Amino acid sequence: QVQLVQSGAEVKTPGSSVKVSCKASGYTFTGYNLHWVRQAPGQGLEWMGWINPNSGGANYAQNFQGRVTMTRDTSVSTVYMFLSRLTSDDTAVYYCTRDAQGGSGWFDPWGQGSLVTVSS
Amino acid sequence: QAVLTQPSSLSASPGASASLTCTLRSGINVGAYNIYWYQQKPGSPPQYLLRYKSDSDKQQGSGVPSRFSGSKDASANAGILLISGLQSEDEADYYCMIWHSSAWVFGGGTKLTVL
Repeated sequence: QVQLVQSGAEVKTPGSSVKVSCKASGYTFTGYNLHWVRQAPGQGLEWMGWINPNSGGANYAQNFQGRVTMTRDTSVSTVYMFLSRLTSDDTAVYYCTRDAQGGSGWFDPWGQGSLVTVSS
Repeated sequence: QAVLTQPSSLSASPGASASLTCTLRSGINVGAYNIYWYQQKPGSPPQYLLRYKSDSDKQQGSGVPSRFSGSKDASANAGILLISGLQSEDEADYYCMIWHSSAWVFGGGTKLTVL
C-alpha cells in the first residue's frame, strides 16, 4: 500500500537546524510531488512547500523562503525537509504528504508526523 | 484578514446534519476556487475528504462516505462542508484549503463536537 514513513522526534535549540525525512513506498516515487505541512501544538495546518521527486525542483511558501530546503534521494525513495534558524515558533509536528492527483490539493496519504521541539 | 475563515467550533447531535463554513476573504471570489476539505482526529494526520468547485466539478475522496458533501454559498462567499447523519466518529477538526497566490492556504479549522 502507499505509505509515507517519517523520521522520529527531534529536540533542537534555538538557532540550530533540523532535517526531517519522509520515506515513500508502494508507488512510483518520482511520479508524484510531495508536500510538507506543519502543525504547531493546538493550532491549525500550515503549508510549507513541495518538491518534485523527479526533477528535484522545489517551491516554498513565502513564510519559509530562505529558511527551508527540500531535497530528495531517489535511490532510497526519500525526501528531506531542512529548516534552519529555528525558534520556539517552529515547535510543531511536521507532516509530509503526497499530491495524489498531480497539481491538485488532494493530499493522500500523509506521513505519521515528526515532532520537532525547539527549546533552550 | 485571513484568506480563509472557519468558525472555531460547532456542535451537533447524532443523526443531525452539520454545515461547516469556510469564508473567503473579501475580494477572493469563491466561485473561482476548488475548495478542499480535510478531517483530522486527535493524534492523527489529516485525511482528505473531498474537493468541490461546482455540482458538475467535484471529487469525493476514496472511501469517504456520501454523507460528506460539498457546496458553496456565493452570497456569503463561502465553501460549505455538509455532513449528514452525524455519527460520533465524525467528531474531529475540519480544515478547508484553497490554492491562492501560488500557495496552498488552510483555514484555521473547525472543531466539530457530536453530542
